[in-house]
Amino acid sequence: KNEVEQSPQNLTAQEGEFITINCSYSVGISALHWLQQHPGGGIVSLFMLSSGKKKHGRLIATINIQEKHSSLHITASHPRDSAVYICAESTGGTSYGKLTFGQGTILTVHP
Amino acid sequence: GAGVSQSPSNKVTEKGKDVELRCDPISGHTALYWYRQSLGQGLEFLIYFQGNSAPDKSGLPSDRFSAERTGGSVSTLTIQRTQQEDSAVYLCASSSGGGETQYFGPGTRLLVL
Repeated sequence: KNEVEQSPQNLTAQEGEFITINCSYSVGISALHWLQQHPGGGIVSLFMLSSGKKKHGRLIATINIQEKHSSLHITASHPRDSAVYICAESTGGTSYGKLTFGQGTILTVHP
Repeated sequence: GAGVSQSPSNKVTEKGKDVELRCDPISGHTALYWYRQSLGQGLEFLIYFQGNSAPDKSGLPSDRFSAERTGGSVSTLTIQRTQQEDSAVYLCASSSGGGETQYFGPGTRLLVL
């Protein structure tokens, strides 16, 4: 069974702090996705990666295929980064792209 | 261009009634996914359409759930004889191909009384 585990479940930070959210998965994947969901808002795809590292603005995502582990980093955090961050894996085969989700990390950044 | 749209945005129904939820994917996207987000369960996969291939229905929780995609574009998720445990936000996403970045719609919030 595919399992995706995130930690921490809840994270509180002060504005400006460096933030790390971790994600572990149990089976071989075709890609690992990081998603963002603001309170009452829709889901936005932040990153899709299968190896190495990707960066977009203050967000950085890394993945270690051998260790089946990915991290999402936020540099110089801001209150507008407050949201739920969800990692999800997609596996190959006939349903290439179908996502299995972690339980999400609730991030609150205080000014 | 326009993103993924879903309708209705909210739906309140009585237990036992049938409901239809609609998803309009981004034009040209061949892959379409339905997911469900409920309070105690998080996000879970329901069904996946890719081009003209047979859909992957492995996530549908019971035979009361069905979905179709007409003309490779619009999709409808139907829930028959709704139950209270069907209450959730139903999300649709589309991508330019299987395994590509998925773009999510705003969801339909379903409440079964």
